[in-house]
Amino acid sequence: GQQLNQSPQSMFIQEGEDVSMNCTSSSIFNTWLWYKQDPGEGPVLLIALYKAGELTSNGRLTAQFGITRKDSFLNISASIPSDVGIYFCAGQLRAGNNRKLIWGLGTSLAVNP
Amino acid sequence: DGGITQSPKYLFRKEGQNVTLSCEQNLNHDAMYWYRQDPGQGLRLIYYSQIVNDFQKGDIAEGYSVSREKKESFPLTVTSAQKNPTAFYLCASSISGSTYGYTFGSGTRLTVV
Repeated sequence: GQQLNQSPQSMFIQEGEDVSMNCTSSSIFNTWLWYKQDPGEGPVLLIALYKAGELTSNGRLTAQFGITRKDSFLNISASIPSDVGIYFCAGQLRAGNNRKLIWGLGTSLAVNP
Repeated sequence: DGGITQSPKYLFRKEGQNVTLSCEQNLNHDAMYWYRQDPGQGLRLIYYSQIVNDFQKGDIAEGYSVSREKKESFPLTVTSAQKNPTAFYLCASSISGSTYGYTFGSGTRLTVV
């Protein structure tokens, strides 16, 4: 199946540092979603983006829908130990067809207290 | 509280045996999905169902079967034909046609012994 190009694959940072990750695709998406998965649990939706150029925040998290509609970025400011987990991007190829969620392989984040 | 419940959390199976993973949701969602997660491989779609009594194969359906007799339930059977069944299995649900993404269960870790 199709997959998004998500980078970096993993990150190991110090508490308090900012984090950036991104997803790119050769296809145009109508929706970009960012999820976080804690160890041994299911992913939880963090941010949803619906318009090209849209910038949305959720606490210390900020995500952007790329202007070309082929990419998205997630930033985490002032990281804390509970930010540890795997972050996934997902894109929806066309509106109204929720089956078409295409996933990135995830960015594994480790935070050193 | 509304949510999606997977059981059991941990499951051990002898090689050559079939096993069924449970997924129940009380969110009144039309669509349900099964994903398999292996380290470093992200989420891979096994089967999905958008309405009762109908389901479609995902990207890695071989060796798996599902049923959708009730809106709330979407059990997954891992058959003896699945050559490498040890993995983390995630069930998700969504409003069919929605752009709000999926709600995931907490997963079942299946180990073949």
